[in-house]
Amino acid sequence: DAGITQSPRHKVTETGTPVTLRCHQTENHRYMYWYRQDPGHGLRLIHYSYGVKDTDKGEVSDGYSVSRSKTEDFLLTLESATSSQTSVYFCAISQGDGNTIYFGEGSWLTVV
Amino acid sequence: DQQVKQNSPSLSVQEGRISILNCDYTNSMFDYFLWYKKYPAEGPTFLISISSIKDKNEDGRFTVFLNKSAKHLSLHIVPSQPGDSAVYFCAAILTSGTYKYIFGTGTRLKVLA
Repeated sequence: DAGITQSPRHKVTETGTPVTLRCHQTENHRYMYWYRQDPGHGLRLIHYSYGVKDTDKGEVSDGYSVSRSKTEDFLLTLESATSSQTSVYFCAISQGDGNTIYFGEGSWLTVV
Repeated sequence: DQQVKQNSPSLSVQEGRISILNCDYTNSMFDYFLWYKKYPAEGPTFLISISSIKDKNEDGRFTVFLNKSAKHLSLHIVPSQPGDSAVYFCAAILTSGTYKYIFGTGTRLKVLA
């Protein structure tokens, strides 16, 4: 298994509160990604990073921000959580040379 | 705008028969394609991939076919086994670009014993 750890794995939060999900990798891969999985929508890219402090938007970036201050950590922040952000969030990593992308085990977020 | 599409949300196949999962894409610049398998409450895991310079790649029971002119790829599983029951996602990437892996909506495969 790729060395990817997501935390927290499960969280229930109230609408309007900030939430941060953490992804930690031990593989020293350059690229890191945050996806969300929702019924009928598959896996949609939220943000990704191509290096320390280098990030870019994905398909569904509104309401989310990210930061990468170290190679091994990629944080996803919901500044003010909404019910539409209830989802399963997956972190992924890639070497960036056309190889496969490896996923973490997911973080289940419920916004009530 | 969905750049990678899986038009069949679900598929049921008898054990031992062939499963064919389909995927269409709209961006002709994509040059690398992957299939992932996902079980409930787990992260997706890599299954098989194909470069745009090939039209077929085989790995055991799994074969991926690529038709560039039709912008279509398919995953064949032969023979299908009950343990293959999962959600399958196809993904596409432009390797000379930003390395954004774009995934389809997934197809839930059920293999009946």
